[in-house]
Amino acid sequence: DIQMAQSPSSLSASVGDRVTITCRASQDINNYLVWFQQKPGKAPKSLIYGASTLQSGVPSKFSGSGSETHFTLTISSLQPEDIATYYCQQYKSYPLTFGGGTKVEIK
Amino acid sequence: QVRLVESGGRVVQFGRSLRLSCATSGFTFKNYGVHWVRQAPGKGLEGVASIWHDGSTNFYIDSVKGRFIISRDNSKNTFSLQMNSLRAEDTGIYYCARDQSDDNTGYFPGFWGQGTLVTVSS
Repeated sequence: DIQMAQSPSSLSASVGDRVTITCRASQDINNYLVWFQQKPGKAPKSLIYGASTLQSGVPSKFSGSGSETHFTLTISSLQPEDIATYYCQQYKSYPLTFGGGTKVEIK
Repeated sequence: QVRLVESGGRVVQFGRSLRLSCATSGFTFKNYGVHWVRQAPGKGLEGVASIWHDGSTNFYIDSVKGRFIISRDNSKNTFSLQMNSLRAEDTGIYYCARDQSDDNTGYFPGFWGQGTLVTVSS
């Protein structure tokens, strides 16, 4: 199985800050990577797929980059509504595997 | 619109069985792969099982192989997760999900249900 390592596990930033989350795959997954946002008590919501394609309806403050084994999710200007836990997930091969999550909080 | 609704979650004793179901609507079910993803209390997401659009192939994480079975009924637009020999570590919210699209650019859970809680008690 492909292992996904996500960092940091949590972060605290100020409103307006640029926030970056990193995800590393244990082997080359091309660009078969999706980023999810999950708010408490809710199902996850996909933000970016194909490593860098913004999901329809998702604000452009979210962006993704990377390929092969190293990927990043960036929030250009953190807002209170972005408080959530973010997960990466590879879909290069089954079983689908997720990173451990990054909990984003406001300082 | 695309809709997925889980059912079947409840408190069940260690070692017993439980069947979860996912009813779908708003799309051509037979064209999409589907998944069960779980989340233990306060923990991250774990892809438990997946099945191809035609039911020909399925996949499981190691911890449930030989105990869980994913299946689908394309005539009823539903799919299920039969869970046997349940353990305490199977406790969590179980989400059913559908692939984002029917081509390899979207073989990931793009549409999710609201989740159903399974609690395995000793």
